Amino acid sequence: EAGVAQSPRYKIIEKRQSVAFWCNPISGHATLYWYQQILGQGPKLLIQFQNNGVVDDSQLPKDRFSAERLKGVDSTLKIQPAKLEDSAVYLCASSASTSGGGDTQYFGPGTRLTVL
Amino acid sequence: LAKTTQPISMDSYEGQEVNITCSHNNIATNDYITWYQQFPSQGPRFIIQGYKTKVTNEVASLFIPADRKSSTLSLPRVSLSDTAVYYCLAWDTGRRALTFGSGTRLQVQP
Repeated sequence: EAGVAQSPRYKIIEKRQSVAFWCNPISGHATLYWYQQILGQGPKLLIQFQNNGVVDDSQLPKDRFSAERLKGVDSTLKIQPAKLEDSAVYLCASSASTSGGGDTQYFGPGTRLTVL
Repeated sequence: LAKTTQPISMDSYEGQEVNITCSHNNIATNDYITWYQQFPSQGPRFIIQGYKTKVTNEVASLFIPADRKSSTLSLPRVSLSDTAVYYCLAWDTGRRALTFGSGTRLQVQP
C-alpha cells in the first residue's frame, strides 16, 4: 500500500513570497490533516478535512494560510505571503475511518520550508 | 483538550527495557491514549494505542491504570534504531484530532 505522498520535500523562499504544498493521501482515506512542525516542537494541527469538507481549521492563520481538498482526495496548503516564522516542516496525514474510535493517522515525509 | 506531560529526554543502552511515563490528568471519557514515534526528517509513525489496562503489539506495550490519569509506554530490548522522539497523545474521538506535546527524546547508546 502506498503511503502519504507530499511535494516538494524542500522549499526555500523569501519573506512575502507565496508557496504551495501538495499532499496525496492513502487511497480511500476520508480524513486528511495538515500539521505544522517547528524545529524542536511537536506537530501542531492546522486544518482537518473529512472528504472535501473542513472539520477543524481553528488553528489555521487564515489571513495568510489557505487549504483546499477538491474532490475529497488530494489537498494543497498555501501560504501567501510567507513570514519568517512560517519556517517549519509541513506534514500531511490521513486516516481511514469517519466513525468513532481511535483510528490511526498515517503521516507523509513532510515539506521543509525555509523562509529567508 | 487533554494535555499530556512526559519527560523531555531519556537515555538508555542497547538491550535494555525502556519505560516512558506520560501523565494526562484531564483526559476525557472519549479519549484514547496514543503513542507515536518520530525519526529525524520523517513524519510521526503510530506505535500503539489503548483505552485502559494493557495493550501489547509486536513493537511495544502500553499500560494504562484504572484512573487513566497516566500511561506508560514500554519498549522491550531497545536497539540503536529506537533512538527517536516519542509522543504521548490523547486521541479525541469526538474531534477526531491529535494534540501533540513536545515529546520525549530517547537516545539509545551502544
